[in-house]
Amino acid sequence: AQTVTQSQPEMSVQEAETVTLSCTYDTSESDYYLFWYKQPPSRQMILVIRQEAYKQQNATENRFSVNFQKAAKSFSLKISDSQLGDAAMYFCAYRSPQGGSEKLVFGKGTKLTVNP
Amino acid sequence: ETGVTQTPRHLVMGMTNKKSLKCEQHLGHNAMYWYKQSAKKPLELMFVYNFKEQTENNSVPSRFSPECPNSSHLFLHLHTLQPEDSALYLCASSTQTGALNTEAFFGQGTRLTVV
Repeated sequence: AQTVTQSQPEMSVQEAETVTLSCTYDTSESDYYLFWYKQPPSRQMILVIRQEAYKQQNATENRFSVNFQKAAKSFSLKISDSQLGDAAMYFCAYRSPQGGSEKLVFGKGTKLTVNP
Repeated sequence: ETGVTQTPRHLVMGMTNKKSLKCEQHLGHNAMYWYKQSAKKPLELMFVYNFKEQTENNSVPSRFSPECPNSSHLFLHLHTLQPEDSALYLCASSTQTGALNTEAFFGQGTRLTVV
């Protein structure tokens, strides 16, 4: 079974600075998707960025980018020019390619605080 | 407007009560999901419905009973719950199951407290 580990329960960053959230996962599959979701105090989970395992190029979405290291099974999220609105819980998630399997496997999350 | 709406936002119920959580999506999706989010634990997938048919039950106790009358609505019927069932229950939807690049859209959750 796949597992996702986020080793940083909490992180903090100064406004306008850069922060990196770590995520590692365990799988025997060669093709899969990885996601970072953001959950602000409103509780709604919002997709931040996703990475296809067969793509070597790291995904980027504006100030958000990932460092995907397939061999190391590492999928970290970098937030540049941090803003107060970035404060939230961040969840790393794995999705299997097995047909009919909709199971998103989540990590325990990292609480990000942005200091003004 | 999130596209996925859950009601109620908060619910307090006794262990002998029967209540229902409701989820509605207006995104034209055909797959819907229930997740449980407990403190200090990863989100746990509970149920998956695709075109109104249940395709996954992740070993959920029978005191949780899902219902999907159509592709836009999903219910979670609750009865004789335990205090450890207190959690945030999240509903999600997506375009189809089995596709790797399917993005799940989440509702804002129902905060359930069992007393």
